[in-house]
Amino acid sequence: SQQGEEDPQALSIQEGENATMNCSYKTSINNLQWYRQNSGRGLVHLILIRSNEREKHSGRLRVTLDTSKKSSSLLITASRAADTASYFCASYSGAGSYQLTFGKGTKLSVIP
Amino acid sequence: SQTIHQWPATLVQPVGSPLSLECTVEGTSNPNLYWYRQAAGRGLQLLFYSVGIGQISSEVPQNLSASRPQDRQFILSSKKLLLSDSGFYLCAWSGDSTGELFFGEGSRLTVL
Repeated sequence: SQQGEEDPQALSIQEGENATMNCSYKTSINNLQWYRQNSGRGLVHLILIRSNEREKHSGRLRVTLDTSKKSSSLLITASRAADTASYFCASYSGAGSYQLTFGKGTKLSVIP
Repeated sequence: SQTIHQWPATLVQPVGSPLSLECTVEGTSNPNLYWYRQAAGRGLQLLFYSVGIGQISSEVPQNLSASRPQDRQFILSSKKLLLSDSGFYLCAWSGDSTGELFFGEGSRLTVL
């Protein structure tokens, strides 16, 4: 079953604009992770936010976590055409779980 | 540094034929190893994971199996492929039970 669900499923923006993707999850988590996948490639880890953190930055990425609402958001600022990819949130299913469960992803298209 | 290799990158197989996908990790010891499958335009489905040699946990009952004959080798197999086995198969490893996953480049399987 899906632990995380991203919203929207697809997003198209102009280069230079900001892109925001949201993720909701169902069970308690140790951390929540975001991954990127270029078409036909493997996934690449972007950022991990722990359950006791509310916000984290990495370059043009900003991730927030609201454990009371079981939700997270990924913001990409000043988007570039090279940011075109699918973005997934993921979390472990429960305490002691080795199973990292992914949502269905948001497909981001950045138009030059 | 750690690397993960997955092969073959693409293959086309007839229904009823066997399958063997291989994955090896270099530069680390005792990794957690994972096989995921991704249907077209969909999220990732966890198939198998392994926390040690000979230790395989299956998430989805089906005609696929996994083996870990060596510490850093993970193999996905089938004795008889079905049309529904078509998809993009991703191998991944992690260093601990709550950390990020590192993915291979994937193997695209088409069953005809």
